[in-house]
Amino acid sequence: KNQVEQSPQSLIILEGKNCTLQCNYTVSPFSNLRWYKQDTGRGPVSLTIMTFSENTKSNGRYTATLDADTKQSSLHITASQLSDSASYICVVSMANQAGTALIFGKGTTLSVSS
Amino acid sequence: NAGVMQNPRHLVRRRGQEARLRCSPMKGHSHVYWYRQLPEEGLKFMVYLQKENIIDESGMPKERFSAEFPKEGPSILRIQQVVRGDSAAYFCASSPRDTTNYGYTFGSGTRLTVV
Repeated sequence: KNQVEQSPQSLIILEGKNCTLQCNYTVSPFSNLRWYKQDTGRGPVSLTIMTFSENTKSNGRYTATLDADTKQSSLHITASQLSDSASYICVVSMANQAGTALIFGKGTTLSVSS
Repeated sequence: NAGVMQNPRHLVRRRGQEARLRCSPMKGHSHVYWYRQLPEEGLKFMVYLQKENIIDESGMPKERFSAEFPKEGPSILRIQQVVRGDSAAYFCASSPRDTTNYGYTFGSGTRLTVV
């Protein structure tokens, strides 16, 4: 079964600290893996997208890694800010499909406190 | 470019009424996707449309739900005879072409509450 599992479910950190979110998937055939940020009451916004051959990709203070062999990805947030408080969603895309191609994780809810 | 526009942002319906959710894709995007998000759950695919065509509706309940994307105007997700279980956030996304190679752009969603 094609699934995307994220951990932890929720996380609370102090402003300025770093954190790492995890994503494990069992999706085949694999096309790419995306991380989205979803603020409360808003739609998801893309942070990174990685294909099979990419091991890491950065977007400002966000760095995503991908190990296609173990089917694991992580999202590292450096020097967290209050505005980082959101849900972070891992999404895996299946190759050669369209409508049902994206498999969404349930997300990790990050709360950054001062 | 105004992005993907969804309206209304919030919709309240009584059980048995109809709900119509609208989605205007980004300029130049001809592919539209609808998703439903229940509390504490991930987004679940419902339907994929191109102009005047339903490409994949495998995620949409077979009864009461329908979607269209006419030649002119926004895409419409229609829910007839709503029930409490239809209460959720409904998101629309658009893309210029095949989703396996290009990222989606999501709208801000419509939050449907059935009372």
